[in-house]
Amino acid sequence: GAVVSQHPSRVICKSGTSVKIECRSLDFQATTMFWYRQFPKQSLMLMATSNEGSKATYEQGVEKDKFLINHASLTLSTLTVTSAHPEDSSFYICSAIPDGTDTQYFGPGTRLTVL
Amino acid sequence: KNEVEQSPQNLTAQEGEFITINCSYSVGISALHWLQQHPGGGIVSLFMLSSGKKKHGRLIATINIQEKHSSLHITASHPRDSAVYICAGSSSWGGGGADGLTFGKGTHLIIQP
Repeated sequence: GAVVSQHPSRVICKSGTSVKIECRSLDFQATTMFWYRQFPKQSLMLMATSNEGSKATYEQGVEKDKFLINHASLTLSTLTVTSAHPEDSSFYICSAIPDGTDTQYFGPGTRLTVL
Repeated sequence: KNEVEQSPQNLTAQEGEFITINCSYSVGISALHWLQQHPGGGIVSLFMLSSGKKKHGRLIATINIQEKHSSLHITASHPRDSAVYICAGSSSWGGGGADGLTFGKGTHLIIQP
């Protein structure tokens, strides 16, 4: 089956630093990937749609200058949390849709803790 | 704005019981997804449906388009079914018109032995 990996799985950083999270589709190409986040005891929320070769589309309320998304290849999308603050601490999950299909496959998630 | 309402929020049942989780969704959602999230956070896509009924093992998902309602059923429930089950909607079926998902709040299911 289609596999999506995320790296790192867990990261702890100091306030003010930037953190990059990678999302890879291991055995398929994905023009479209999505980034979600989940705060404790809350539902998942779509942050942005990442499209290979074009700018990401951000949901309302998500700062594009703070959450930089780069989808430079058909198998890799990265999310960079710039100048992270404690309120950015969350569980970040990506998903990818194999080209030509309609099923989202989710990565295992990255737990970010900003001290 | 797409909305998804899910119930119940919490459900505890005995092993072997038939489980039903319900989901209502707003106009604008054309595909409904059922996901399973394990304690570590990992998410597995169980079903995606826009009409009718789908079955996989002991899991059954149904959708009523007129009523904008979907249900996830688990037959012969087992402790390993314990997880958070999430209903999510998208505006398009996917593929070329892929959409991100709008999620319900999830149902925390515990199956006791």
